[in-house]
Amino acid sequence: IAGITQAPTSQILAAGRRMTLRCTQDMRHNAMYWYRQDLGLGLRLIHYSNTAGTTGKGEVPDGYSVSRANTDDFPLTLASAVPSQTSVYFCASSARGRPGNSPLHFGNGTRLTVT
Amino acid sequence: GESVGLHLPTLSVQEGDNSIINCAYSNSASDYFIWYKQESGKGPQFIIDIRSNMDKRQGQRVTVLLNKTVKHLSLQIAATQPGDSAVYFCAESYAGGYQKVTFGTGTKLQVIP
Repeated sequence: IAGITQAPTSQILAAGRRMTLRCTQDMRHNAMYWYRQDLGLGLRLIHYSNTAGTTGKGEVPDGYSVSRANTDDFPLTLASAVPSQTSVYFCASSARGRPGNSPLHFGNGTRLTVT
Repeated sequence: GESVGLHLPTLSVQEGDNSIINCAYSNSASDYFIWYKQESGKGPQFIIDIRSNMDKRQGQRVTVLLNKTVKHLSLQIAATQPGDSAVYFCAESYAGGYQKVTFGTGTKLQVIP
């Protein structure tokens, strides 16, 4: 089934540790995004990539980094995790470069707890 | 400032009845609106979208209405089924806000069998 695969499904991480959340899509979408979802705050954009080889910052990028070496993969790295990064992380893609032009397709998320 | 909000945090509906979920937005420049459905433990799923040059759009059992005068968006679900139980939230964006999509916090729809 075509879509977005995220791994791991959940993770408990000690503060200060490094962690990479994986995201792979098989829809050949150019644009990919990372969001975090926190209760009462809705989805907030962390980083995005309009096409392979390019990335950009969203509204909450601090403490996170991304890379886009190819069309299919868009990993999110927490260099040194802090408790405030406890959240559910969603990877998404869209057929066009702007999420305002076409709907987002989401993965099922990674639930991260930083202790 | 920009905001997308929902009037009702929880909506309980009898199976077979119609559901209406509302959303208010404050940015009059918004030109693209989407409704998503999110089931427990899953990612948001696209339901239907509408652009600002339209007032109404229909899908399978769902209809989205856009009232630009009062900046209001609604999602109507016909003949609500138990499988419709989920959190629904709207999202809005505008041409000048590259990558900027504002999501609402969601309304939980509970279908009573």
